[in-house]
Amino acid sequence: GAVVSQHPSRVICKSGTSVKIECRSLDFQATTMFWYRQFPKQSLMLMATSNEGSKATYEQGVEKDKFLINHASLTLSTLTVTSAHPEDSSFYICSAEALTGRETQYFGPGTRLLVL
Amino acid sequence: GENVEQHPSTLSVQEGDSAVIKCTYSDSASNYFPWYKQELGKGPQLIIDIRSNVGEKKDQRIAVTLNKTAKHFSLHITETQPEDSAVYFCAAMGYSGGGADGLTFGKGTHLIIQP
Repeated sequence: GAVVSQHPSRVICKSGTSVKIECRSLDFQATTMFWYRQFPKQSLMLMATSNEGSKATYEQGVEKDKFLINHASLTLSTLTVTSAHPEDSSFYICSAEALTGRETQYFGPGTRLLVL
Repeated sequence: GENVEQHPSTLSVQEGDSAVIKCTYSDSASNYFPWYKQELGKGPQLIIDIRSNVGEKKDQRIAVTLNKTAKHFSLHITETQPEDSAVYFCAAMGYSGGGADGLTFGKGTHLIIQP
């Protein structure tokens, strides 16, 4: 149980285009989903907290107009990187907190984004 | 905000020996401390967690201890095996008035098990 999927697993795009990443909780409902970013050989940094049916809360320094988050249902959150640039190249990972599993976050497999 | 320090950054041990990774945190309001194992190119996998009302928790070869007064917690892996080789992250989380906060991660420890 407690499986989180992400799609796509890997994406390469041209500079200036937008990329959408999906995060799904497959066997549980998630009140809250989180989006993290991880640069090579570094730790995970929280970007934003996403609650179903409400606006996402962004961490300081994260541009909400660049990283659009939609949490349309209790099992799906999407992150759209708008007008991507090479410096946005990173490993994007989502996590989900179960309705009934207080605090425990289950992570997806991550999405590798490369912007050319 | 929360700040989590993790040591060491790299740890090399002989197969069969024990490994200990230590973390400290700054926010006394944090009350949940998970440990994750991350293999190259994959997402973090939860291996054990501890809440602030517990001092120690064990799951087979893995144990975690928490000292709330000193604000530090540690991961202990006994009888290490080659498949334990990975990057391990500690994390801390507290609850704000509106609900769960995201995790604050340590910088990670690259654990190398020497055969």
